[in-house]
Amino acid sequence: EAGVAQSPRYKIIEKRQSVAFWCNPISGHATLYWYQQILGQGPKLLIQFQNNGVVDDSQLPKDRFSAERLKGVDSTLKIQPAKLEDSAVYLCASSRTGTSYTGELFFGEGSRLTVL
Amino acid sequence: QKEVEQNSGPLSVPEGAIASLNCTYSDRGSQSFFWYRQYSGKSPELIMSIYSNGDKEDGRFTAQLNKASQYVSLLIRDSQPSDSATYLCAVKGNNDMRFGAGTRLTVKP
Repeated sequence: EAGVAQSPRYKIIEKRQSVAFWCNPISGHATLYWYQQILGQGPKLLIQFQNNGVVDDSQLPKDRFSAERLKGVDSTLKIQPAKLEDSAVYLCASSRTGTSYTGELFFGEGSRLTVL
Repeated sequence: QKEVEQNSGPLSVPEGAIASLNCTYSDRGSQSFFWYRQYSGKSPELIMSIYSNGDKEDGRFTAQLNKASQYVSLLIRDSQPSDSATYLCAVKGNNDMRFGAGTRLTVKP
């Protein structure tokens, strides 16, 4: 099966500019996660979707970050305006639900953001 | 705040030795526990999952869980240079999956 697809792989912007990342999960995976991983740290959950509904966005800086998952498939994460501290790798992951759910997350290759 | 704590390392072991990685968590309602391996510049990949108290073995890897102590560990036997990576402990509560900061392991030939 095809893995989690993310784009772009790399993005360099200046502070106060905007950026958007796209993710397409594994087919049939109802749960989609966006994580932020700053260099040397573990992944930090930004938002979790179940189909097209938000399960957890408690750590999403809502004044500048937004995410949507229309139609319960692919998702977009947007940052506007970007700050220097947003420099990180943005990881998208998906997982199964229901009786086949094992808890395993399948990660995309990530989108590396550099804010200058 | 739900916390997952790991020693950041780095942990260095000689080839063939046992590497021991530890993790504690704060949420007593946590249900499932995972170890992910992350090579430099790559995404995390699952290597072990454990759901009940005790030990779970898979090849050279053994995961240990003690829910009373809120403690999870990973043992890597006969460590190889290819095991050099950052190991992330992940804990699942009712809905979310939270990660520790990771322990960087270096296996020296």
